[in-house]
Amino acid sequence: SAVISQKPSRDICQRGTSLTIQCQVDSQVTMMFWYRQQPGQSLTLIATANQGSEATYESGFVIDKFPISRPNLTFSTLTVSNMSPEDSSIYLCSVRQGLEQFFGPGTRLTVL
Amino acid sequence: AQRVTQPEKLLSVFKGAPVELKCNYSYSGSPELFWYVQYSRQRLQLLLRHISRESIKGFTADLNKGETSFHLKKPFAQEEDSAMYYCAPLKGGSQGNLIFGKGTKLSVKP
Repeated sequence: SAVISQKPSRDICQRGTSLTIQCQVDSQVTMMFWYRQQPGQSLTLIATANQGSEATYESGFVIDKFPISRPNLTFSTLTVSNMSPEDSSIYLCSVRQGLEQFFGPGTRLTVL
Repeated sequence: AQRVTQPEKLLSVFKGAPVELKCNYSYSGSPELFWYVQYSRQRLQLLLRHISRESIKGFTADLNKGETSFHLKKPFAQEEDSAMYYCAPLKGGSQGNLIFGKGTKLSVKP
């Protein structure tokens, strides 16, 4: 199984600023994903970040708002840019090994 | 439209009672189907997958292609089963995306 850590675990930010979330995996994985879980809601896939290729964004999410880096097989970052209160959410990093998907602990973001 | 539906937002049962968490999907082809669980203050984790036909923590889930359902069942609920449960089809095969239902919160009362 893959063990995933995220930094920061939580943050409170002012609107208009940006926050970069880091995701570290204890093993090399090809497929990495970023999800958002808004208060009281289910998980929504933001983008798929496979090493060696540009991130693929889901409908409703754009690179200018959520730029993603994937420099190697164990690390990725998600930036939430020009934040507004609507971006307040838990952001989750996830990786897949075979057909099983593992999740990080999440980053709880509050935008004031 | 392709979607996964979990009709119950909250399901409350007494300890020892049977429990069934419903999941219906509308995806073309034969998606792989999973149940994920999130216990309080823990990260999301895989509970079971339909292809392995296994029983985990007493839970089973049968894929009914005719009804396009993948309901999660347990004959005797325990208090430690209280958690958030998500049905999740894997859309697009092993290279595809895991799409989550809205989730059902299971509360098992003593």
